[in-house]
Amino acid sequence: NAGVTQTPKFRILKIGQSMTLQCTQDMNHNYMYWYRQDPGMGLKLIYYSVGAGITDKGEVPNGYNVSRSTTEDFPLRLELAAPSQTSVYFCASRQFGALGTEAFFGQGTRLTVV
Amino acid sequence: AQKVTQAQTEISVVEKEDVTLDCVYETRDTTYYLFWYKQPPSGELVFLIRRNSFDEQNEISGRYSWNFQKSTSSFNFTITASQVVDSAVYFCALSEIESGGGADGLTFGKGTHLIIQP
Repeated sequence: NAGVTQTPKFRILKIGQSMTLQCTQDMNHNYMYWYRQDPGMGLKLIYYSVGAGITDKGEVPNGYNVSRSTTEDFPLRLELAAPSQTSVYFCASRQFGALGTEAFFGQGTRLTVV
Repeated sequence: AQKVTQAQTEISVVEKEDVTLDCVYETRDTTYYLFWYKQPPSGELVFLIRRNSFDEQNEISGRYSWNFQKSTSSFNFTITASQVVDSAVYFCALSEIESGGGADGLTFGKGTHLIIQP
């Protein structure tokens, strides 16, 4: 059971380059999220989605875009990378129900912008 | 607005000591969930426990225990007889259910870095 899978695990970008962080989940969860983690700052929500075709901004959306064409996939796009986007990015999925509502996280993507 | 405060940035104890990690939260909802996650040095986020706002029973799982007190808006985590493998960053998180239906994710504290020295 794969859970939430993120690719790549590591990436170095030059300022101004673009890239897409991939996220896929096989648990048929409706809710998906992108967080960034900066040292000592906890996790901050970038974007979230409540289902295919529906996305919304979180706390720190500037410089990012997302799409949700299927239940399984929730890619995060960085346009014109900046040093401030150096961070560890986590994708998560979640489903509400009697069995619980915790979020399941991917392994993370460590991104450095130079 | 929802907020989670973990005032302890870093705690260092010697193996076999007991240690408590504090978590204080703010919310206007009466229905919400609280969580603890562990982030070991390898970097992944591991779910430890979930508690809903209507269940104030404390919980024990092996050497781990959690104390939920709505009166003080706290959800503290105690490790008994700590071990080196407990060394990690621990995050407390809150999910409001009434505001946005909980769809807008978890709000995390800044984390407590726990160091267990042999």
